[in-house]
Amino acid sequence: SQTIHQWPATLVQPVGSPLSLECTVEGTSNPNLYWYRQAAGRGLQLLFYSVGIGQISSEVPQNLSASRPQDRQFILSSKKLLLSDSGFYLCACRGKGVTEAFFGQGTRLTVV
Amino acid sequence: QKEVEQDPGPLSVPEGAIVSLNCTYSNSAFQYFMWYRQYSRKGPELLMYTYSSGNKEDGRFTAQVDKSSKYISLFIRDSQPSDSATYLCAKVGRDDKIIFGKGTRLHILP
Repeated sequence: SQTIHQWPATLVQPVGSPLSLECTVEGTSNPNLYWYRQAAGRGLQLLFYSVGIGQISSEVPQNLSASRPQDRQFILSSKKLLLSDSGFYLCACRGKGVTEAFFGQGTRLTVV
Repeated sequence: QKEVEQDPGPLSVPEGAIVSLNCTYSNSAFQYFMWYRQYSRKGPELLMYTYSSGNKEDGRFTAQVDKSSKYISLFIRDSQPSDSATYLCAKVGRDDKIIFGKGTRLHILP
């Protein structure tokens, strides 16, 4: 079965600092990968998704970018964080031809 | 209009009652739907998925899709305090995008 690793679990960063969140997947090859943000008390907002290496679809114009340098690695980045970037960031994985999508345990980002 | 709409609640029901959680969707182009449970400060956990109209049952959980009214439901029988969580519905499109509703907070009262 798939395992999704996200780190760190919590992060406090100053406004204007860069960000790099990493998601790695085990137990599947060439999966679809997704980045979501969840604001306090709200649903999951799709930020980016990728169907393969180097293929990134952006859903929300914003201060963030994503990259997929390897098959099972998905990175979320920002050059300069804003206060509004605070939230719970979740990575999800869905294997090709598989119905289920699984989530990592998330990174709670606070921008101060 | 958002693609998937869900009442945020909170919904409070007594232990042992049947819980009904609902979502509506606006775009008919989809592959299937999923239901997730999310405990506070944790990642969502998949409960079940359903492709087409009708019911799908798994233990105490039943998922239902009504294509004609664009309505999806999750029923929980014999609800327990451990079922207290946020429940998220999600639609998987033909473009592989997974779109979530805002989630419904459920409280099961002992």
